[in-house]
Amino acid sequence: DVKVTQSSRYLVKRTGEKVFLECVQDMDHENMFWYRQDPGLGLRLIYFSYDVKMKEKGDIPEGYSVSREKKERFSLILESASTNQTSMYLCASSPRLAGNNEQFFGPGTRLTVL
Amino acid sequence: SQQGEEDPQALSIQEGENATMNCSYKTSINNLQWYRQNSGRGLVHLILIRSNEREKHSGRLRVTLDTSKKSSSLLITASRAADTASYFCATDERTGNQFYFGTGTSLTVIP
Repeated sequence: DVKVTQSSRYLVKRTGEKVFLECVQDMDHENMFWYRQDPGLGLRLIYFSYDVKMKEKGDIPEGYSVSREKKERFSLILESASTNQTSMYLCASSPRLAGNNEQFFGPGTRLTVL
Repeated sequence: SQQGEEDPQALSIQEGENATMNCSYKTSINNLQWYRQNSGRGLVHLILIRSNEREKHSGRLRVTLDTSKKSSSLLITASRAADTASYFCATDERTGNQFYFGTGTSLTVIP
């Protein structure tokens, strides 16, 4: 059974903290994605990666960075968490031709920044 | 920038009825996909339709695509309470490698 896992389902952090969200996929997919989901706004792409050490900005990269040192792992980093980063964060992966293949999603991390 | 917009935002029907939701998008695409999200969970892929296809079926799901109107519809026939979820369309730009998700339709099926 294919699987995308995320390190935490729920996370509470304080303003200014550095936050790491981890995502691991076991399908040997080239592409990995980080989205945030907010009510009324749908899913918005933060960053994506085509390959190890490769990254591309999505629609809302400000305040975030990513790391992909291994093919199966894609990390999202909030350098200094702020309250407006309280959201649901979803990781996804897909084979190389993303437009021709489905994305597989993790269960999500609900992050609250106090 | 978001590509897809779903309509309606929310839909409530009785079990056994059909549910139709629509998606409009802005630019040329290679494919359009529909996903389902149960409350507070990740998204699950339902169906993909290519830009040269007009209709596709999968079980109780029927998807149509009209590239001239830049729109798609998802029909769920004989709905069940378990179909209660949010439904999203996702498109890819013809030249890009990323998806754009719409804001979703929240479907409630009343037993």
